[in-house]
Amino acid sequence: GAGVSQSPRYKVAKRGQDVALRCDPISGHVSLFWYQQALGQGPEFLTYFQNEAQLDKSGLPSDRFFAERPEGSVSTLKIQRTQQEDSAVYLCASSLGGASGFEQYFGPGTRLTVT
Amino acid sequence: GQQLNQSPQSMFIQEGEDVSMNCTSSSIFNTWLWYKQDPGEGPVLLIALYKAGELTSNGRLTAQFGITRKDSFLNISASIPSDVGIYFCAGQDYGGATNKLIFGTGTLLAVQP
Repeated sequence: GAGVSQSPRYKVAKRGQDVALRCDPISGHVSLFWYQQALGQGPEFLTYFQNEAQLDKSGLPSDRFFAERPEGSVSTLKIQRTQQEDSAVYLCASSLGGASGFEQYFGPGTRLTVT
Repeated sequence: GQQLNQSPQSMFIQEGEDVSMNCTSSSIFNTWLWYKQDPGEGPVLLIALYKAGELTSNGRLTAQFGITRKDSFLNISASIPSDVGIYFCAGQDYGGATNKLIFGTGTLLAVQP
């Protein structure tokens, strides 16, 4: 079956612009995660959804970052008034959830460059 | 943010050699996972470990979940050029409301044919 897909793959934004990044998880996966990966670093957690409920947003770096998953499938990460420090790869991952579904599968990521 | 200690930071080896890398944490985890990331792509899951002391293989890859639950290692036997990439460990604590992953700092593997 299809894996996790993300769009766009690359995004260039001028400082101050708003951006929206999309994630299509694996069909049937209850849990969805967003991570931020800076150059040369491992991914860092941003936020977590179980179905449509956002259960953890402790990793969002500021109130300019907002994520939603209104119907429990596709998710959008929005960054308002982008800053240069927002430049990174944004990764989405999904997992089955529940007692036996902890393995997270990642999409290809969206590389955001803020100029 | 928090990142796990992963070593070595990089390895440059000849094709056919065995490779070993490890990951340590100050926190206990219930699950350890190992991922490989190629340039411009997302991490790909290699092996998942669920029990302290567990030893799991996936082809030429073998990983172990440390007894203390604070460490894990990954071995690659008889390396081939397509093993090139960055390897990340990740710990997962699912005792709370989230199953987020805490990643290591990564090991860059280069294999010379």
